[in-house]
Amino acid sequence: DAMVIQNPRYQVTQFGKPVTLSCSQTLNHNVMYWYQQKSSQAPKLLFHYYDKDFNNEADTPDNFQSRRPNTSFCFLDIRSPGLGDAAMYLCATSLDGYEQYFGPGTRLTVT
Amino acid sequence: KQEVTQIPAALSVPEGENLVLNCSFTDSAIYNLQWFRQDPGKGLTSLLLIQSSQREQTSGRLNASLDKSSGRSTLYIAASQPGDSATYLCAVKAAGNKLTFGGGTRVLVKP
Repeated sequence: DAMVIQNPRYQVTQFGKPVTLSCSQTLNHNVMYWYQQKSSQAPKLLFHYYDKDFNNEADTPDNFQSRRPNTSFCFLDIRSPGLGDAAMYLCATSLDGYEQYFGPGTRLTVT
Repeated sequence: KQEVTQIPAALSVPEGENLVLNCSFTDSAIYNLQWFRQDPGKGLTSLLLIQSSQREQTSGRLNASLDKSSGRSTLYIAASQPGDSATYLCAVKAAGNKLTFGGGTRVLVKP
């Protein structure tokens, strides 16, 4: 089945230690998104790639970076995680911005 | 700036009762509206997408209506089951590739 895959499902990192979250997709969608979702809150868009074009949200901290080496993969890098960055990170894809399909998420814990 | 509101924030019903979930948005210039389901600690599952030109969309026991001029959408779930217990999120897509999410309605269906 075509899908959006996120690895790992659970990630524990130390305060200030860089961490990378991975997303891959078999849908061949050209748009990929990263969202942050904190407990009992709506998902918050961090940035997205439309093809190779990177689109950052104005209020996304510089601590968050992203890479998309090819159509299928997209990475979220957190350069110096703080306690406030503990959250669920959701990857989503769409074809030309139409319907979005989400992965299962990565739960990040910062100790 | 688009704002999306879902009321109530939580809802509890006995099994078999029909569920009615509300979503309102402030800017009627939308391309589409998506309803999602989220189980605790999981990603988002797309339930229905309604194009701005559509009035409703149906899938099995689910029916979603859209009244763009009044900025409202309603998700109906017929004959609720305990397995329908989850958080339901609506999101609207306007210009660009960004979804604006509501805060969600947490649903509990009691056996």
